[in-house]
Amino acid sequence: NAGVMQNPRHLVRRRGQEARLRCSPMKGHSHVYWYRQLPEEGLKFMVYLQKENIIDESGMPKERFSAEFPKEGPSILRIQQVVRGDSAAYFCASSPQYGQDNSPLHFGNGTRLTVT
Amino acid sequence: QQQVKQSPQSLIVQKGGISIINCAYENTAFDYFPWYQQFPGKGPALLIAIRPDVSEKKEGRFTISFNKSAKQFSLHIMDSQPGDSATYFCAASAQTGANNLFFGTGTRLTVIP
Repeated sequence: NAGVMQNPRHLVRRRGQEARLRCSPMKGHSHVYWYRQLPEEGLKFMVYLQKENIIDESGMPKERFSAEFPKEGPSILRIQQVVRGDSAAYFCASSPQYGQDNSPLHFGNGTRLTVT
Repeated sequence: QQQVKQSPQSLIVQKGGISIINCAYENTAFDYFPWYQQFPGKGPALLIAIRPDVSEKKEGRFTISFNKSAKQFSLHIMDSQPGDSATYFCAASAQTGANNLFFGTGTRLTVIP
């Protein structure tokens, strides 16, 4: 009964490189959410996806950031041309089908991105 | 702007004492208020949650108190233990629309033996 799996756990990138963060939701969950956590701060919503659809990307920067959740495989958060300010912990969460009594979010252990 | 305001930022409590963390919100559309516990290097884990139709919910040593008119809610940890030392986040979401949570900025709790 695996939980939400994120990889890699730690990722180091130089400025200008691309970062790809992966998230496999819990079995049976079709909704995926990405959050960003800066040091000493709470989690900030970035994007909410269902299979092959972006439902809400209101928290995601307009440039350099993109997310997908293909029919097969994990959800991917992609950050192009990373800058130092992108250094943070990125958490993925999943839930069962939306509408079922505010299905609680289950979080993975995050990917800690460091941009040098 | 911060949709959910949380205080205090840090809290030190003696073992056996009561830990109290407070949160406030403005958006009256919020109707689901969970608390998450996060240990270093881990993701947040759901601890307890409440809806506005009740004023209190208790699960073991953890109690949420909810004041709808004041738009405030709080977490009480009774008989605090060193193993409770973690960062606690309150959050809120609305039933309609996307199911995304708005988090408070967190409270780092330290329970000293």
